[in-house]
Amino acid sequence: AQSVTQLGSHVSVSEGALVLLRCNYSSSVPPYLFWYVQYPNQGLQLLLKYTTGATLVKGINGFEAEFKKSETSFHLTKPSAHMSDAAEYFCAVSPGAGGTSYGKLTFGQGTILTVHP
Amino acid sequence: DTAVSQTPKYLVTQMGNDKSIKCEQNLGHDTMYWYKQDSKKFLKIMFSYNNKELIINETVPNRFSPKSPDKAHLNLHINSLELGDSAVYFCASSRRDRGRLETQYFGPGTRLLVL
Repeated sequence: AQSVTQLGSHVSVSEGALVLLRCNYSSSVPPYLFWYVQYPNQGLQLLLKYTTGATLVKGINGFEAEFKKSETSFHLTKPSAHMSDAAEYFCAVSPGAGGTSYGKLTFGQGTILTVHP
Repeated sequence: DTAVSQTPKYLVTQMGNDKSIKCEQNLGHDTMYWYKQDSKKFLKIMFSYNNKELIINETVPNRFSPKSPDKAHLNLHINSLELGDSAVYFCASSRRDRGRLETQYFGPGTRLLVL
């Protein structure tokens, strides 16, 4: 079984400020973890993913996330927010190696990021 | 060069009607999915097909019937539409690599409104 909890349904930052979106997961097997971004009236776009190896993963648009097994977390960060980062962000988990790997992605409830000038 | 495409983008229809949503991917993937995003933006998987074989079938009313004519297409047919079916439906695809499924790529979504 797997689940994802995103802390904070809305996060508001000023342009140039640090962005931190929190994600905690639960998985019975080693997980694969993903962050997707959804702009208004558009589909989901992959930001970054963790499968194995380096726990700090870098994605597009300057975002990065760190897999912390001991904390069951995969928080998304960006050092300096840009107005174009305003969107909704979804954290997701799927079974990794050793799991029933039929691509069952489980999503968190999403976090809306607002960036103020 | 759209990777995962869906038609139509918007669908407004009356209760009780039957409608279909089409999905096509040109990524050469062998696995395709349907997700439903409700009004609270909660995303949940509905179905998944691998090489035209149904491999995930979540608790979805049997009014919803997926059909995969080939690896590049996964269509969703909905019978007797209800108000609660109003949502955004996303198609996605991925490939299987050494038994593990890789990143899923999503289509733009179909916004269904049932009146």
